[in-house]
Amino acid sequence: SQTIHQWPATLVQPVGSPLSLECTVEGTSNPNLYWYRQAAGRGLQLLFYSVGIGQISSEVPQNLSASRPQDRQFILSSKKLLLSDSGFYLCAWRGGSRGGLDTQYFGPGTRLTVL
Amino acid sequence: LAKTTQPISMDSYEGQEVNITCSHNNIATNDYITWYQQFPSQGPRFIIQGYKTKVTNEVASLFIPADRKSSTLSLPRVSLSDTAVYYCYHSGTYKYIFGTGTRLKVLA
Repeated sequence: SQTIHQWPATLVQPVGSPLSLECTVEGTSNPNLYWYRQAAGRGLQLLFYSVGIGQISSEVPQNLSASRPQDRQFILSSKKLLLSDSGFYLCAWRGGSRGGLDTQYFGPGTRLTVL
Repeated sequence: LAKTTQPISMDSYEGQEVNITCSHNNIATNDYITWYQQFPSQGPRFIIQGYKTKVTNEVASLFIPADRKSSTLSLPRVSLSDTAVYYCYHSGTYKYIFGTGTRLKVLA
């Protein structure tokens, strides 16, 4: 069966510090991978998605970046965090084939607080 | 981009049936409609998915009319543990745009 891991679970960082959040998926190959952010009491905001190694599409221009160095690894980064980067970060995967059943599976999330 | 519209919040009492409707006017021919449940500080959890008519599983039913421009999630006999945010979406290529969801509060 497939599983998705995210770490760390919680993180408190000062403004201006760098960020690296990691997501890995097990039990599937060539997944589509996604990073979402959820501000307190708000809905899910799609940040990045990737359909393959080295292929990243950005949905929101900001100081965050994403990379996919391996098939089942997705990394969210920032060189300098802003207060507005605080939130709940979720990684998700979906099977690589298009059309038909179309389900995303989410990780446990990382709670980021920027002070 | 796929866009959905749902009520912001709903209240219900334990044991009642709850119906949450989602509007998706620009759904594409190949899109499926999916509903998720999210508890605080957890990732969304898949509930049910359908293409047309009615789909039922062990936790919910999904009703989709012939024009597929809306869908209704039905939760039978809700309990306090069903208090959560419920999201619907339909896919558009590789992108998934979630709406603000419906915050369901189940009261004793």
